[in-house]
Amino acid sequence: DAKTTQPPSMDCAEGRAANLPCNHSTISGNEYVYWYRQIHSQGPQYIIHGLKNNETNEMASLIITEDRKSSTLILPHATLRDTAVYYCIAKEDSSASKIIFGSGTRLSIRP
Amino acid sequence: DTEVTQTPKHLVMGMTNKKSLKCEQHMGHRAMYWYKQKAKKPPELMFVYSYEKLSINESVPSRFSPECPNSSLLNLHLHALQPEDSALYLCASSQEPVSEQYFGPGTRLTVT
Repeated sequence: DAKTTQPPSMDCAEGRAANLPCNHSTISGNEYVYWYRQIHSQGPQYIIHGLKNNETNEMASLIITEDRKSSTLILPHATLRDTAVYYCIAKEDSSASKIIFGSGTRLSIRP
Repeated sequence: DTEVTQTPKHLVMGMTNKKSLKCEQHMGHRAMYWYKQKAKKPPELMFVYSYEKLSINESVPSRFSPECPNSSLLNLHLHALQPEDSALYLCASSQEPVSEQYFGPGTRLTVT
């Protein structure tokens, strides 16, 4: 699975959009980009995933560059409850493939 | 029911004890996972069960023994653990092995 690189920490004002970047320059054509987050003392939570096209769900939007070497997770209106560690993961669509968590980005939302 | 449950929430055990962690899901998911997470570190995969068969063992020491009695239940049997095994143990499930995973809240294990 491709290695991903994320900034170790970011902060964002409450109510503003939080944009979390992820670099995956060695991603292969059959690897999806997945985002999970882990709020303190809880299990990780699936957010969104995509292959080539931009994706949106009730939690977030995922923007993948045309060359697929990077992506951005967007939380449109951040709240204090969005404070968490966000993990960007590149994973093959294969039953033998597995999630490998990197260090993630610690996002702090300030009031 | 859209959640993964884990029991117990907390467990303290001695190095000579035998204990088990339990994980349950009723979403009809066919893949289940065990992860270990040390403080301030990301989760690390331990085992994957796919259609009730062990498909991935990440070279985990034999003092950790997984069991999948049925498609809804996953156990992790613990025996002769070391203090360095103290960690948060997370269970997850996914509809298929290739699908997104849904995590339980974890069992915080302390080995004394």
